Amino acid sequence: DADVTQTPRNRITKTGKRIMLECSQTKGHDRMYWYRQDPGLGLRLIYYSFDVKDINKGEISDGYSVSRQAQAKFSLSLESAIPNQTALYFCATSDRGDSGRSAAFTDTQYFGPGTRLTVL
Amino acid sequence: QKEVEQDPGPLSVPEGAIVSLNCTYSNSAFQYFMWYRQYSRKGPELLMYTYSSGNKEDGRFTAQVDKSSKYISLFIRDSQPSDSATYLCAMSKGGSYIPTFGRGTSLIVHP
Repeated sequence: DADVTQTPRNRITKTGKRIMLECSQTKGHDRMYWYRQDPGLGLRLIYYSFDVKDINKGEISDGYSVSRQAQAKFSLSLESAIPNQTALYFCATSDRGDSGRSAAFTDTQYFGPGTRLTVL
Repeated sequence: QKEVEQDPGPLSVPEGAIVSLNCTYSNSAFQYFMWYRQYSRKGPELLMYTYSSGNKEDGRFTAQVDKSSKYISLFIRDSQPSDSATYLCAMSKGGSYIPTFGRGTSLIVHP
C-alpha cells in the first residue's frame, strides 16, 4: 500500500463550488505539506504543518485553507473554486529532524500520487 | 528572480546519450542539494542528494555541486527510455528546512 494517499485522484468542478482534497499518510511523519504544480511554474507551496497544532501559510495560500485532523491526515479546501486553481495538487510528508527514525538527512519530501483538479 | 532557476526543456536525447541537467541558485545559505524524478501522472521521488560541494555517484547518475558558482548538475550516463521523466532540483538550508524546488526539466530519451 502507498505510504501517502490522496483522494480524489481526479476532480472536475464548477466555479464557486467548495472542494476538499484529502491526504493520509502511514509513514508516521509529523510534517505535512500541500503543493500545487502548474506547467512552467513547478511546485509551489500552499500550506504546511509541522505537527497537529501547527499550520503555516506557504507561498500561495490565498483562496485555500487547510485542516490537520490528526498526525496522519491533512486536508486542503478551496472555499470557492475559480478556474485559475486548475492544477495538479500534491500532498507531501517529511520526518522531524530529531525523531531518531531517520539518518542525518531529514529534508526528503515523500509525495502522494497527486490530485488533478479542473475548475470550469 | 526566483531563488532556484531551472530550464523546463523539454530535452530530447537518443538512447545511450549522456544527459546533463542543471540548476542555478542565488541563496548562498543552501547546504543540501537534491534531485527529484517525477514520472508522468506520479508524484516526485527523491533520486539523490548532496551535502555542500562535490560529487556523488549512484549507478548511472552523478550529482555535482559547485557552490562557488551556485550551480548544480545531474548527469545521467547511458540514458534509457525509462529515464524519461521530469527532473526537479531542490535545495534547502538543512536542519529540516522546507526545500525550494526548481521548475523541473522534462527529459525524453527516445529509442
